[in-house]
Formats: sequence, C-alpha cells, structure tokens
Amino acid sequence: DAKTTQPNSMESNEEEPVHLPCNHSTISGTDYIHWYRQLPSQGPEYVIHGLTSNVNNRMASLAIAEDRKSSTLILHRATLRDAAVYYCIGETSGSRLTFGEGTQLTVNP
Amino acid sequence: EPEVTQTPSHQVTQMGQEVILRCVPISNHLYFYWYRQILGQKVEFLVSFYNNEISEKSEIFDDQFSVERPDGSNFTLKIRSTKLEDSAMYFCASRAGSHSGNTIYFGEGSWLTVV
Repeated sequence: DAKTTQPNSMESNEEEPVHLPCNHSTISGTDYIHWYRQLPSQGPEYVIHGLTSNVNNRMASLAIAEDRKSSTLILHRATLRDAAVYYCIGETSGSRLTFGEGTQLTVNP
Repeated sequence: EPEVTQTPSHQVTQMGQEVILRCVPISNHLYFYWYRQILGQKVEFLVSFYNNEISEKSEIFDDQFSVERPDGSNFTLKIRSTKLEDSAMYFCASRAGSHSGNTIYFGEGSWLTVV
C-alpha cells in the first residue's frame, strides 16, 4: 500500500467542520484512497473512499488534490460521536488494507 | 444495512488451549480477512482468503493459526495453542470483490484474553 502521513491528533469543537489531512505522495495512479475510523473498542468503520474526483456521502466528504499527493477528509459538522481514530489508507494491492497510526480526533462540547 | 458479525464478543482462555473465533461475512462477499489489534497498538493484517484458500498472509500468521470456511456462511480463525501474546481484539472483514474500489467491511471484533 502507498505510504500515508497523518497528524497524530487533532481537536475540533462540536458542530464545527473538521478537515483531516493526509499526505500520500507515493500513491500510484490506480490506488484508491480509503478512510476508515475506529471508535474505542469497536472495529474499523468505513467512512469514504475515492480515486481522483471529490466524493461525498452521508458521513463525510473527501477532497483529493489534483496531483493526488494528498487528500482531506471533511466532516461538515462534528459531533461528540465523531471522536475516533481516523485512518487514511492508500490501497495498492486490492487485497488488503494496511493501517497506520491514524489521527486521533477529539471533539470538544 | 448488511454487516459482518463475529462471535464470541469476548473469550478468556488458558494458555495452550485452542480457540476458534467465528465470523459471518456479508452474504454476497467473496473475499474474507482476519485482522488483529493488540491493546494500544495498530490494526494488523493477519490473512486474506478467497475461493477456499489463503490468498495472502502476514508474518504473524504462523503455523499456530488456521482459517476455514466450513460452510457457505461462516469463516473461522483457529489458534491451535494460545500464547499470552495472542491476547488481542480480532476483527473479521469481508469485501465483494478484489478491486481496490470495493469497500472492506469489518465486524465489531472478538476480544481474546489468554491467561
């Protein structure tokens, strides 16, 4: 999988937007960018994924840079339930995902 | 929404005992995985399984581990002789196809404690 770099932690206030960055400068043209999150004592939960175009779903938006060397996960209005570790994964093999340390998001009331 | 289900949610076992963790993947999925997460550490890939055989495994997945799809719905992970260091959360996952645009869905995990 392509190497990704994320900040160790970020903080946000409730009901404010959150922009979680991810650098993936070695990503190849066919690697999808996946975002997962993990709440305490739970399994990784799929958030969103994309290849080249920006993507939106009910949970979040994914903005992918034109050169694909970075992407940003956008939570439009953070809630306390969004506090989790967020993983950005650039999948190469199509057979598994390799998790890094991720970004611990804290949401303040 | 379809989901991956795992049993048991928590199991305590004596060192040296055999353990079987069970998973029911999403029904139309063809690719199956086991991951584990030791407390406070990263989620680690163990093994992937397709067409009734292992397609990839990590260094962690040694001879003490085995996987099986005994029928059309279950996917199991067996640890033959558990060690203290096998204590971890084990996650089963599945996906419909191998293309990297397909989403991998994870279960809630089975917490294994070896004493």
